[in-house]
Amino acid sequence: QLQLQESGPGLVKPSETLPLTCTVSGGSIRSSVYSWGWIRQPPGKGLEWIGSLYYTGKTYYNPSLKSRVTVSVDTSKNQLSLKLTSVTAADTAVYYCARHEGDLGPYFGYWGQGSLVTVSS
Amino acid sequence: QSVLTQPPSASGTPGQRVTISCSGSDSNIRSNYVYWYQQLPGTAPKLLIYRNNQRPSGVPDRFSGSKSGTSASLAISGLRSEDEADYYCAAWDDSLIGSVFGGGTKLTVL
Repeated sequence: QLQLQESGPGLVKPSETLPLTCTVSGGSIRSSVYSWGWIRQPPGKGLEWIGSLYYTGKTYYNPSLKSRVTVSVDTSKNQLSLKLTSVTAADTAVYYCARHEGDLGPYFGYWGQGSLVTVSS
Repeated sequence: QSVLTQPPSASGTPGQRVTISCSGSDSNIRSNYVYWYQQLPGTAPKLLIYRNNQRPSGVPDRFSGSKSGTSASLAISGLRSEDEADYYCAAWDDSLIGSVFGGGTKLTVL
């Protein structure tokens, strides 16, 4: 059974970089079929897609975050990573990693449990 | 302000049929598949409907999705207390070149 587990610092200071990792178990992150993405949810608010890395190697990012976001994979560790630079309090959220089930779009069949990141000094 | 528009709340009594709407535009709903997610309190979202009207294995047939033009709907029949959750629609947007979510609808079972 595929499992995704996010991990991160929990607390990040304003203007710093938020690093998150998603460890995939029960399956390989290196796939010619599946793609991987990040979604976040501010406390008490809705879901926001951050970005995705498709099996083709191409990345797509939310235009509102594009200048600050990098999504990448480390196949040797079977991990997906997210880097969000110059964070502010507005970036406080639960961050989820998820697997795309094939379509170019928000077709997320597997999700991690989420990792709460708070931006505060 | 979300690209896809959902009513913030919906409600129904046990056994009732409830529908949740999702309004978009030509660049998202009309042109691409719609997906629906259920998020129970304190948990990660769960895929409920994919490709407009398909149910993943394990999702009861009480849940159904439809799409017409620039709008989509999620219908829940035979409402149960465990259906009380937040529901989100989502789609790819050709103009934004990215995925977009609706603002979510909180379903209350009275």
